[in-house]
Amino acid sequence: GQNIDQPTEMTATEGAIVQINCTYQTSGFNGLFWYQQHAGEAPTFLSYNVLDGLEEKGRFSSFLSRSKGYSYLLLKELQMKDSASYLCAVRDGDYKLSFGAGTTVTVRA
Amino acid sequence: IAGITQAPTSQILAAGRRMTLRCTQDMRHNAMYWYRQDLGLGLRLIHYSNTAGTTGKGEVPDGYSVSRANTDDFPLTLASAVPSQTSVYFCASSNNQGTGANVLTFGAGSRLTVL
Repeated sequence: GQNIDQPTEMTATEGAIVQINCTYQTSGFNGLFWYQQHAGEAPTFLSYNVLDGLEEKGRFSSFLSRSKGYSYLLLKELQMKDSASYLCAVRDGDYKLSFGAGTTVTVRA
Repeated sequence: IAGITQAPTSQILAAGRRMTLRCTQDMRHNAMYWYRQDLGLGLRLIHYSNTAGTTGKGEVPDGYSVSRANTDDFPLTLASAVPSQTSVYFCASSNNQGTGANVLTFGAGSRLTVL
């Protein structure tokens, strides 16, 4: 099985940067995903890392270190609409995706 | 609009009753999944299907059953509902084609309350 840890909550100011860390222990690894979930809605895909390094997509970036079992999601130029839960997920060799409990980010004016 | 349709959106159910949550996708994805989401626990995989005609158990399969008679439909059945099955249930699908992101697409969720 998978053991995926991420902080429960984070608060930041509009326009600032926030980094959400995720550590994982897996019996097999086939990619790490970040999803965004607004309250009462379904999760939506943000990013995917399978090789070490940084993937940048607009204001969002995601980093992976497979040797350390570590990833982070970086949110830049925070906007009020970024207030949501951010879910770290790891895919095993059977293509099953396991999720962390999620990090609730609150953006304040 | 292509995507995943779940029904019902919300349901209140008496303990001991049988309930089937429906899930249909029109993206011709080969893999489908059922997750439950509970506060503080995140999304947990109940059952999955890598292709039509096959199913597998996830992390929390007890009390649930699934079938995959065709590509599009993946119903989840609670044979005899218990209060601990109160949760939000998400159906998801992906097109698993070897390497690549094979991103999961989620339905809007079904909120189930068992009294």
